Amino acid sequence: GQSLEQPSEVTAVEGAIVQINCTYQTSGFYGLSWYQQHDGGAPTFLSYNALDGLEETGRFSSFLSRSDSYGYLLLQELQMKDSASYFCAVILDSGGGADGLTFGKGTHLIIQP
Amino acid sequence: NAGVTQTPKFQVLKTGQSMTLQCAQDMNHEYMSWYRQDPGMGLRLIHYSVGAGITDQGEVPNGYNVSRSTTEDFPLRLLSAAPSQTSVYFCASKRAWGRGGSDTQYFGPGTRLTVL
Repeated sequence: GQSLEQPSEVTAVEGAIVQINCTYQTSGFYGLSWYQQHDGGAPTFLSYNALDGLEETGRFSSFLSRSDSYGYLLLQELQMKDSASYFCAVILDSGGGADGLTFGKGTHLIIQP
Repeated sequence: NAGVTQTPKFQVLKTGQSMTLQCAQDMNHEYMSWYRQDPGMGLRLIHYSVGAGITDQGEVPNGYNVSRSTTEDFPLRLLSAAPSQTSVYFCASKRAWGRGGSDTQYFGPGTRLTVL
């Protein structure tokens, strides 16, 4: 089977930097994605890592270490609108090209003024 | 482009009733999928399709059927609703399959289903 672990809740201050970690155990692995979901909304894609290293997209960065089965999402210059749930999701090398996502349970990010 | 659309937004069913959740995309995407999300949980894959006429099961397929007669539409059918199927259902699509996550998955707004 497969499992993903991420903290259930993280609190940070507006303007600060926060890191949300994700560890995974899977029988196959193709890449790691991050999604943002506001309350009552749909998940929206943030980033994707297939190779080790850091991917930067504006205020958001994502890191992957395949040897450690570990990744993180880094949010800089936090804004109140960043208050949301953040999900890591692995894409398994299923051999059938399914490309279905296996999600973690999500991290609820609370931003304080 | 409207993106991924889902109907209805809300639905209440009685145990044993059947219904179809509709999903459509206007981006000519090959790959479409259905997820369910339960409180405090991540999304779980129900069924997916890599093209018209091709469907397969995901992690939690029991109690659900799908078909893909056109590229645009991917309806999800609940055969005999049960309280355990109370959830929020999301449809998603992406341009092509077989490329891992390099193509963005676009999610619809969701259908909130309650089974009494």
